[in-house]
Amino acid sequence: ETGVTQSPTHLIKTRGQQVTLRCSSQSGHNTVSWYQQALGQGPQFIFQYYREEENGRGNFPPRFSGLQFPNYSSELNVNALELDDSALYLCASSREQGGGANVLTFGAGSRLTVL
Amino acid sequence: SQQGEEDPQALSIQEGENATMNCSYKTSINNLQWYRQNSGRGLVHLILIRSNEREKHSGRLRVTLDTSKKSSSLLITASRAADTASYFCATTLGTGTASKLTFGTGTRLQVTL
Repeated sequence: ETGVTQSPTHLIKTRGQQVTLRCSSQSGHNTVSWYQQALGQGPQFIFQYYREEENGRGNFPPRFSGLQFPNYSSELNVNALELDDSALYLCASSREQGGGANVLTFGAGSRLTVL
Repeated sequence: SQQGEEDPQALSIQEGENATMNCSYKTSINNLQWYRQNSGRGLVHLILIRSNEREKHSGRLRVTLDTSKKSSSLLITASRAADTASYFCATTLGTGTASKLTFGTGTRLQVTL
C-alpha cells in the first residue's frame, strides 16, 4: 500500500501570491487533514475534508481553502500570501471510523517560503 | 493555539539510556497519541492511549496517562541513535472531528553514541 504523497516538496513565493499544494491519500483512507507547522512549533490543524466536504476547521482565515476529490486526493490553496505563512504544510489521511480515535498517516510535507 | 506543552523542550542522552518525555494538556480528551518527527519531515504515529486507559506498551515504548492531572508521559527504553527525533503528543477532543489533532510543542531528543 502506498503512503501519503505531497507535492511540491519545496517552493518559494513572494508576498501577495497564491499557492496550491497537493496531496494523495493513503489507499483505503477517506479523510484528509491539513496542518501548518511553523519552525520549532507543533503542527496546527487547518481543516479536514470528508466525502469532499470541509468537516472541521482550525483558527485559519478564509484565504486558506481546500478541496477533496472523489479519489480522496486533496489540495490546499492559500491566497494573498503573507510572510507568516512560511511553514511546513503537512497533509494527513485517515479512515474515518467514528469513536474519536483516528490515527493519522502523514506525508513528508511541503515547505513553503514566502519572501 | 497549542493544546499542551511537552517537557523538557530538549533532551540529550547516551545510547542505551532511557528517555522520558512529559506532556500536559488543558481540556478533557477522548484519547492521546504520540508522534515522532525526523528533522522537519512528516510525523509518524507511535502509540495511542484512550482516556479510560492508564498505561500502554509497544515494543520499547511505554505511555502513561493521568486524566486527573491532564498529563501523559512517553518512556523510550534502551534508546538508540536512530531514536533521535522530535516527539509530539496530540489530543483528540471530540467525535466528528476525529482527525483534528491538537499537538503540543514537542520534545527534541538527541541520542548520542
